[in-house]
Amino acid sequence: KAGVTQTPRYLIKTRGQQVTLSCSPISGHRSVSWYQQTPGQGLQFLFEYFSETQRNKGNFPGRFSGRQFSNSRSEMNVSTLELGDSALYLCASSLSGRAYTDTQYFGPGTRLTVL
Amino acid sequence: KQEVTQIPAALSVPEGENLVLNCSFTDSAIYNLQWFRQDPGKGLTSLLLIQSSQREQTSGRLNASLDKSSGRSTLYIAASQPGDSATYLCAVRSNSGYALNFGKGTSLLVTP
Repeated sequence: KAGVTQTPRYLIKTRGQQVTLSCSPISGHRSVSWYQQTPGQGLQFLFEYFSETQRNKGNFPGRFSGRQFSNSRSEMNVSTLELGDSALYLCASSLSGRAYTDTQYFGPGTRLTVL
Repeated sequence: KQEVTQIPAALSVPEGENLVLNCSFTDSAIYNLQWFRQDPGKGLTSLLLIQSSQREQTSGRLNASLDKSSGRSTLYIAASQPGDSATYLCAVRSNSGYALNFGKGTSLLVTP
């Protein structure tokens, strides 16, 4: 079974631009979550989608948004990029996101550099 | 707000040693706890998941324990190998919100 895939793997943008990252979950998984990883803050939760609906949201500004499609694929968008948005963005998928046995499987991440 | 702490932040051991990584959390109302491994510049690999009702889980040379009442989990690695070198992350899923709350990780180096 294929794992979680993320595209692109690397991205370089300049301040003020916007960016869209893509995530394809494991087949059959309906919950997709996004996390930001930085050396200073570690891993922080951005949001979770299930059945095309945002089910949970972390403490990030409105410049960070996402969506999920009917095939469970998800995209996240960051508008008006700031230098502090440079990070590894990780996507994780799980079957439902609510079962006690639900394991989260992570993709390889997208490394975003903002210049 | 759930706070997750991992001690030590870094650890260096010779090959063959048994070792213990520690994770503590502030809110005992958890759904489950996962241990992950992260290699430099890579994503996270799930190692073990412990449900809130369980006390431990084992996979090969890895054993994770959970003591909800004291807010602690340990990851035991037996007979360490250089290939075990990586950052190990503990993540707690709380009953409220369901997002994973991560510790900062323990960076492990196993020397030949």
